[in-house]
Amino acid sequence: DGGITQSPKYLFRKEGQNVTLSCEQNLNHDAMYWYRQDPGQGLRLIYYSQIVNDFQKGDIAEGYSVSREKKESFPLTVTSAQKNPTAFYLCASSGRGETQYFGPGTRLLVL
Amino acid sequence: KQEVTQIPAALSVPEGENLVLNCSFTDSAIYNLQWFRQDPGKGLTSLLLIQSSQREQTSGRLNASLDKSSGRSTLYIAASQPGDSATYLCAVRRGETSGSRLTFGEGTQLTVNP
Repeated sequence: DGGITQSPKYLFRKEGQNVTLSCEQNLNHDAMYWYRQDPGQGLRLIYYSQIVNDFQKGDIAEGYSVSREKKESFPLTVTSAQKNPTAFYLCASSGRGETQYFGPGTRLLVL
Repeated sequence: KQEVTQIPAALSVPEGENLVLNCSFTDSAIYNLQWFRQDPGKGLTSLLLIQSSQREQTSGRLNASLDKSSGRSTLYIAASQPGDSATYLCAVRRGETSGSRLTFGEGTQLTVNP
């Protein structure tokens, strides 16, 4: 099956800890995205990548970091600098001119 | 900066009713507009995509229209069913390149009562 997978489904972070969210796609898409969704709100773009070894900041990049070493993978690290990390995180990918396909999401909670 | 607004924020209707969800955007220079569905705690599923040169798209009981010049789109759901209960989000895309970003509205939470 082609698609996007995210893991874990739930993630707990202790204060001062960095955590990494996984996103993998087998759709052969060049572009990948990370969004944050807070309750009752739309999606806000954290980072996006148009090609391997290249990525750009979105609207709310502070406190987050990403890498794009492989076409299939776009992991997101939530650093200790992100003071309000509790949210639902969604990864997406797209080809040229196509719709974005979304993963099932990771819910991050702070202990 | 593009802003996308969805009205209403929440809507509750009886089963069988036809309904309209509204989406407006401030910058008419868009490449396309999409409607997505999101079930609680899940990712987004694309429902309809309208290119900037198109006026409407249809899929089953769903019909989406686009008036680019006025910055508006509507999603029409015919003969609503309880299974249609979800949050519906619209998003506009700025350009054609694979990395072109989407700007999302805050969504309309729809409840269809049996």
